[in-house]
Amino acid sequence: AQSVTQPDIHITVSEGASLELRCNYSYGATPYLFWYVQSPGQGLQLLLKYFSGDTLVQGIKGFEAEFKRSQSSFNLRKPSVHWSDAAEYFCAVGMDSSYKLIFGSGTRLLVRP
Amino acid sequence: DAEITQSPRHKIIETGRQVTLACHQTWNHNNMFWYRQDLGHGLRLIHYSYGVHDTNKGEVSDGYSVSRSNTEDLPLTLESAASSQTSVYFCASSREVLGEQYFGPGTRLTVT
Repeated sequence: AQSVTQPDIHITVSEGASLELRCNYSYGATPYLFWYVQSPGQGLQLLLKYFSGDTLVQGIKGFEAEFKRSQSSFNLRKPSVHWSDAAEYFCAVGMDSSYKLIFGSGTRLLVRP
Repeated sequence: DAEITQSPRHKIIETGRQVTLACHQTWNHNNMFWYRQDLGHGLRLIHYSYGVHDTNKGEVSDGYSVSRSNTEDLPLTLESAASSQTSVYFCASSREVLGEQYFGPGTRLTVT
């Protein structure tokens, strides 16, 4: 069955440090890939997406993600985290076979001052 | 500016009562979705619609129903609320079926 895994439930980083959030999926073909961010009490906002082409995609707020087909991964990165990045991050995968998005269970980012 | 709104933002109801959560979008998107968000589960799809008069069941549709009579609205009805349906509910819409989804602010529903 198709699935999306975010193996880290919580991650804590110091302000100014680099960040990498992991996302792995299970699907035979190339999926549509998304990262969303959710601030407390808010809906989800799109950070970036990958459909095809360059496997390194740039998003809003200084985030980027890299699609690695061989590893079935789409990890989110940021070189220097700001306190305002503290939020929950969701990876989502769209697959032609089901025409729906499947969301990972989320990673909560805490930022130490 | 186009937007997607949900109402009410908070609701407390008794077990067995019926409740309808509203979702309204002004993006003119054909595709609309209802999710529930629970700790440890991320977002799970309840129902979705690809256009007027089209509705489909998601992975957790039991106890929920939707109807789509126009492009802008997809109300979600809990026919007989259960405590297991206490959750935060999000509505979303998209232009393409597998495109970016725009989310509403959510409705926090408590069933007592």
